[in-house]
Amino acid sequence: GAGVSQSPSNKVTEKGKDVELRCDPISGHTALYWYRQSLGQGLEFLIYFQGNSAPDKSGLPSDRFSAERTGGSVSTLTIQRTQQEDSAVYLCASSAQGWGSYNSPLHFGNGTRLTVT
Amino acid sequence: DAKTTQPTSMDCAEGRAANLPCNHSTISGNEYVYWYRQIHSQGPQYIIHGLKNNETNEMASLIITEDRKSSTLILPHATLRDTAVYYCIVRSGSNYKLTFGKGTLLTVNP
Repeated sequence: GAGVSQSPSNKVTEKGKDVELRCDPISGHTALYWYRQSLGQGLEFLIYFQGNSAPDKSGLPSDRFSAERTGGSVSTLTIQRTQQEDSAVYLCASSAQGWGSYNSPLHFGNGTRLTVT
Repeated sequence: DAKTTQPTSMDCAEGRAANLPCNHSTISGNEYVYWYRQIHSQGPQYIIHGLKNNETNEMASLIITEDRKSSTLILPHATLRDTAVYYCIVRSGSNYKLTFGKGTLLTVNP
């Protein structure tokens, strides 16, 4: 079946511009997660959605980062006034059940590679 | 969550079984063992998970020791496309903030 879909796959932007990254989770998955992965680094948690609400935004690096999820499905991660240190691969994942359900694996998309010049 | 230890790298001949070990000696009773892999320029791919019983799916088998302090991921017939970094993760219910360690770079050779 269809997996997690992210768009665009690559995004090059100039410093100071705003960018929007999109995630389409697996149909029926209630939980959605955003991570980022810098070159040679591990996963960095950004935000978790259960349905349309975000119980945990603790990973967002600054107030330039925001995310929303509408209709319990598609999510958009927005980065305002991008900086060079924002360059990374932004990964989205979804799971059938959310927090507290450790028997529900996260399924990842292939990410959006963001380059800020 | 319990820490995991994996070898840095392994080689396997194409068509042979690849056996990837993982130590998780501090695992607690409600923690599952998950395996993911990441092929260059792709997102992490879920492979398999288990609690205490051995598990098998279309991708792999997971063998967990009786004391749950270690496990082995088995790819029964490795192909070149299985070359990737394999991550063993121990995850409790509250941990959606997945932490991937260094993992094992599996290289499947022709």
